[in-house]
Amino acid sequence: DQQVKQNSPSLSVQEGRISILNCDYTNSMFDYFLWYKKYPAEGPTFLISISSIKDKNEDGRFTVFLNKSAKHLSLHIVPSQPGDSAVYFCAASALWSGGSNYKLTFGKGTLLTVNP
Amino acid sequence: DTAVSQTPKYLVTQMGNDKSIKCEQNLGHDTMYWYKQDSKKFLKIMFSYNNKELIINETVPNRFSPKSPDKAHLNLHINSLELGDSAVYFCASSQTLPEGLRVGTEAFFGQGTRLTVV
Repeated sequence: DQQVKQNSPSLSVQEGRISILNCDYTNSMFDYFLWYKKYPAEGPTFLISISSIKDKNEDGRFTVFLNKSAKHLSLHIVPSQPGDSAVYFCAASALWSGGSNYKLTFGKGTLLTVNP
Repeated sequence: DTAVSQTPKYLVTQMGNDKSIKCEQNLGHDTMYWYKQDSKKFLKIMFSYNNKELIINETVPNRFSPKSPDKAHLNLHINSLELGDSAVYFCASSQTLPEGLRVGTEAFFGQGTRLTVV
């Protein structure tokens, strides 16, 4: 049961243009959303997050938008740079049913390639 | 200085063997995790420990046994390895904050251990 979906396995954009990565979720208990970036042979690195009480969070070139009614979030990178080429994972957090701690559920990732 | 480090980075072993992967974090976090990334690229949580206590245990075969000797370490021991155990295993850590506070609870990941069972 895939609760966090990233339907585009890959995305290719030109340097300087906008990259838009999309993510859909099904579990309405998710209340915190995160994007992680992963380079080959490295672990995922936290990029940006958004609480369910907000609809936008911006950090430099990265902006995350949340549409709760559509259960959809997106990551915008502008302008895109070749160093942004990596796999981007969307993750959602909810209180784990067994206790008082939170559990992260990840999407499958989208490989972003930024061409010079 | 590496925040979350796991060893070994690569592990090739035969079916039926027992192996361990070690993880250490120097961030002072109180929660540590093991995630598995399988061939389909899904990152799935396996276990979570908070202050050395097991708090999340997903449906993982009991051949997998996590051990947390202290808050900074969470090791993963796997008995009777099977071909299907081949995957990349990631250790991670985070800090639990008062309920309602979510910023700052992000997980930090190690570089992964690629396990290949032959």
